[in-house]
Amino acid sequence: DAGVTQSPTHLIKTRGQQVTLRCSPKSGHDTVSWYQQALGQGPQFIFQYYEEEERQRGNFPDRFSGHQFPNYSSELNVNALLLGDSALYLCASSWYIGGTEAFFGQGTRLTVV
Amino acid sequence: QQQVKQSPQSLIVQKGGISIINCAYENTAFDYFPWYQQFPGKGPALLIAIRPDVSEKKEGRFTISFNKSAKQFSLHIMDSQPGDSATYFCAASDNFNKFYFGSGTKLNVKP
Repeated sequence: DAGVTQSPTHLIKTRGQQVTLRCSPKSGHDTVSWYQQALGQGPQFIFQYYEEEERQRGNFPDRFSGHQFPNYSSELNVNALLLGDSALYLCASSWYIGGTEAFFGQGTRLTVV
Repeated sequence: QQQVKQSPQSLIVQKGGISIINCAYENTAFDYFPWYQQFPGKGPALLIAIRPDVSEKKEGRFTISFNKSAKQFSLHIMDSQPGDSATYFCAASDNFNKFYFGSGTKLNVKP
């Protein structure tokens, strides 16, 4: 049983560009959440998707957007990249109803230059 | 405003010793408190978690102590091993689907 998988593992982008990160949840999970982890910090909640809709959102600007597909996989899009967007982006999957722990992927290391 | 405060920032322990990491929270709606372990270049992995209706939970060498009245919880790692060297994060959630993380504790267990 594959856990949470994210792609790509590393990415270098230039300021002003746009980036798309991808996540496949753990088998059976229907909810995907995205977190940003700056160097030396704890993960910060960006948003959460369930039934292809954004259900909760953290304190992140509209430059951060997402999508969930019918197979529960998800994408995180960041527009107009800033140097401060450089971070490890983590995807976590869980069940929406019933309550359970979240399983994290290995993350995508994004570097904005 | 940080929802979960974690200390210490770093910790050095001798092999076989006890590692203790502390967290505090303010939001009384939180009802699930997990601890995650993260190695460099990896995502956080769930270590152990507790609900506020119990004061202690033990799994192997890892124990969570929970003080509801003080709004504090801690992780104890008994018989610490060099392989335990990692960054540990406490977290809190009120609906399992959105987690607030502490700032992390970098643990170094000396051989």
